[in-house]
Amino acid sequence: SSELTQPLSVSVSPGQTATITCSGDTLTYGSVYWYQQRPGQSPVLVIFGDSHRPSGIPERFSGLHSGDTATLTISGTQARDEADYFCQTWHSSNGALFGTGTQVTVL
Amino acid sequence: QVQLMQSGAEVRKPGASVKVSCKASGYTFTDNYIHWVRQAPGQGHEWMGWINTESGGTNSPQRHRGRVTMTRDKSISTVYIELSGLKSDDTAVYYCARDRTSEGEMDVWGQGTTVTVS
Repeated sequence: SSELTQPLSVSVSPGQTATITCSGDTLTYGSVYWYQQRPGQSPVLVIFGDSHRPSGIPERFSGLHSGDTATLTISGTQARDEADYFCQTWHSSNGALFGTGTQVTVL
Repeated sequence: QVQLMQSGAEVRKPGASVKVSCKASGYTFTDNYIHWVRQAPGQGHEWMGWINTESGGTNSPQRHRGRVTMTRDKSISTVYIELSGLKSDDTAVYYCARDRTSEGEMDVWGQGTTVTVS
């Protein structure tokens, strides 16, 4: 399928671990990117190349990718991590495909 | 620092056209492709296409070809997206984003431009 499926929402207590999955056939073709988007703000890249953090992104953000599934993990979740997170892949012919998005709530 | 600054909100009637701009600063404009991505209210993100800022070449999903035009003006480090034949479901926030690697890695995003079709 040409969709990237994510859970609609994930709830986590402060200091605990949040895990967000992204699944789809197109994930087998290339790297995965993850973005954070706070309400009313533009997306921010938090993971590139499956598991690499851009400069300035805290170490508590990590990524894994195997076959048709990718995972974003937020360890020691903080209140500031409350946001929408979405995955993305790239295909040279078809362009970018985005995940359905997951709302992370820090209770 | 690297910035993408977009034009302001637009309101259009159905059937009209709209043109949104995105001005780059803080880096060499022609070194990176620029993507356009939109997000309709309560919906996920949709890729609208990208432009090679050096050559002006573009690529977009088949479903948008014919209605979406992407251009650039190297003299002012600005890219544009024009959407014609607007429909109500084109109502969305439109973002430009810089591609760091030419492989879809969108490392810097504009602030977004709200386009309302009503």
